[in-house]
This record gives sequence, C-alpha cells and structure tokens, in this order.
Amino acid sequence: GQQLNQSPQSMFIQEGEDVSMNCTSSSIFNTWLWYKQDPGEGPVLLIALYKAGELTSNGRLTAQFGITRKDSFLNISASIPSDVGIYFCAGQRSGGSNYKLTFGKGTLLTVNP
Amino acid sequence: EAGVAQSPRYKIIEKRQSVAFWCNPISGHATLYWYQQILGQGPKLLIQFQNNGVVDDSQLPKDRFSAERLKGVDSTLKIQPAKLEDSAVYLCASSTGLSNNEQFFGPGTRLTVL
Repeated sequence: GQQLNQSPQSMFIQEGEDVSMNCTSSSIFNTWLWYKQDPGEGPVLLIALYKAGELTSNGRLTAQFGITRKDSFLNISASIPSDVGIYFCAGQRSGGSNYKLTFGKGTLLTVNP
Repeated sequence: EAGVAQSPRYKIIEKRQSVAFWCNPISGHATLYWYQQILGQGPKLLIQFQNNGVVDDSQLPKDRFSAERLKGVDSTLKIQPAKLEDSAVYLCASSTGLSNNEQFFGPGTRLTVL
C-alpha cells in the first residue's frame, strides 16, 4: 500500500532547542496533516495544510506543504518538556466522500529538561 | 463536547478466539473510521463509514474482520478468528463528513493476541 517516508525516526533534544522533521511520498496528496500522539491516546491534529507551498503556524509549530505536493515538514521552536510524544505526518487524497488518511511511521521526540 | 468513546481499552485473547470493539463517535458526526496501529507504525485505515454505508474497506481483511454501523451512529469492529499479527491498537475516529473536515480520534483499544 501507499507509504509515507517520515524522518527522523527519533530525536533526543534539550529543552529550548528547535526541532525539524519531514515526510516524503512517492505520490501526490491534496492535503498534508501533522498529528501528535501521547501514550495511551489517539492522535491529535496539530496543523493541516491544504495548498501546495502553504506555510502555516500554530504557536511554536510551523509546517509547510511542499510545492511538488509530495512532501511536508514540521518545525517546533523552543521545545518544552510537554512536546514529548510521537509526531505523525499524514496525507489525504480527497475523492468524493473518501477522506482516507495515509500516515507515516512517526517521529519519537524526547525533550530533556 | 464529549469526544470519541471506545471500549474496551484493553483486551487480551488467545489466537483463534473472537473479539469485538465498540466505538461511539462525536454526536452529529456522519463519518466514522476504524484504524489499526501496529506498534512502531502509524495508523492504517481499515474501514470508513459515511452514515451507515461503507465508503472504503479496501484494506480490511474481510476473511476475518467485519464492521458495522447499523443505525449510522455507533459502530462495532469484530475479528474472528484472531491471529497473532492482529495484536495492535484499534483506533476509532469520526468527522463531520464535510470537505476539509478534521478527524477526531478516540483513545483506542489495545489488543494482545497470545
């Protein structure tokens, strides 16, 4: 099935540092989304991107929808301990009423206080 | 507003046994999804319902998995018989069904097949 390549697999950083992660695909998506998942919980949407080239911010988070529509990145600035978790990219290829999301394998972020 | 509810939260069964999971979506959400999340991977869509109709079940292993949403509200996902490789977290999500609509996820059911 469709695969998204997400990197890095894991990151260990100091509090206050910036972090960047990205996602690439072999095919085009209409929408790129970034989710965060805490242990024992379902993913929670952080940022949604709907147009190629779009750059969107949500507090300390910034994400971009690649021009080719085959990639996206997420930046977190000035990390804090509560940023710990697994971050997933997801692509959506809307067709009719089919809103299927294809997820990457995730980036495990650890923040050292 | 109440979120997506799932039960049970944890289930341990032996291979070849049957198991069922229940999901109650956010009130008024027309679209309901079941995802399978294997340890170390992202969620994978199993089935999408729009009201009580199936939109996409292309990745559902239909020889052993079944799902229903008879009244267009809550839904059940069943596995019969279970295999070791079915060990995973089963996530339910719902959305309004409109374009650019956010999917809200429940906490999931962690299934362990021994």
